[in-house]
Amino acid sequence: KNQVEQSPQSLIILEGKNCTLQCNYTVSPFSNLRWYKQDTGRGPVSLTIMTFSENTKSNGRYTATLDADTKQSSLHITASQLSDSASYICVVRGTGTASKLTFGTGTRLQVTL
Amino acid sequence: ETGVTQTPRHLVMGMTNKKSLKCEQHLGHNAMYWYKQSAKKPLELMFVYSLEERVENNSVPSRFSPECPNSSHLFLHLHTLQPEDSALYLCASSPGTSGGAENEQFFGPGTRLTVL
Repeated sequence: KNQVEQSPQSLIILEGKNCTLQCNYTVSPFSNLRWYKQDTGRGPVSLTIMTFSENTKSNGRYTATLDADTKQSSLHITASQLSDSASYICVVRGTGTASKLTFGTGTRLQVTL
Repeated sequence: ETGVTQTPRHLVMGMTNKKSLKCEQHLGHNAMYWYKQSAKKPLELMFVYSLEERVENNSVPSRFSPECPNSSHLFLHLHTLQPEDSALYLCASSPGTSGGAENEQFFGPGTRLTVL
């Protein structure tokens, strides 16, 4: 069964600090992996997408990594800001019979003063 | 904003009511989706429409009835719902439905539904 597991479930950090969110998946064969940011009361917005051949991709203060061999991805947030408080959702798409999207349950990040 | 709007943003209804959720996309996309998001659960895909034709129905109870009159509009008609149907209902659109990176889904803000 295709699954996406995210950790931690929730996280509280001080403004200005860095943090790393984890995503492990079992989806196979693999096509791509997206990280979404979902603000409270909003729909998810894509931060980055990674395909099989990509190891690292940055979008401003967000850097995603992918290890397709171990089926792991991480999202690193540098110099966190209050506006980073949101849920971060990892979504994996496979190919062929696994071509549907598989969603993680998300990590709830709270950045405080 | 993502170019996908949803109305209403909040809805409270009794189990015997009939209501409809509306979604509109201004992106020229060909595919539209309904998702259910419950607390501490992954997003659940409910329906997929491609060029106004339903291409996926993920074992959703018949008390949820989708309608796609054109490629820009998507409705979810609700009747005789249960309290466990309370959730955030998200609409999304994408250029197409194939699995490539170009078919990013753009989400609306959602309708927060409470069933009493």
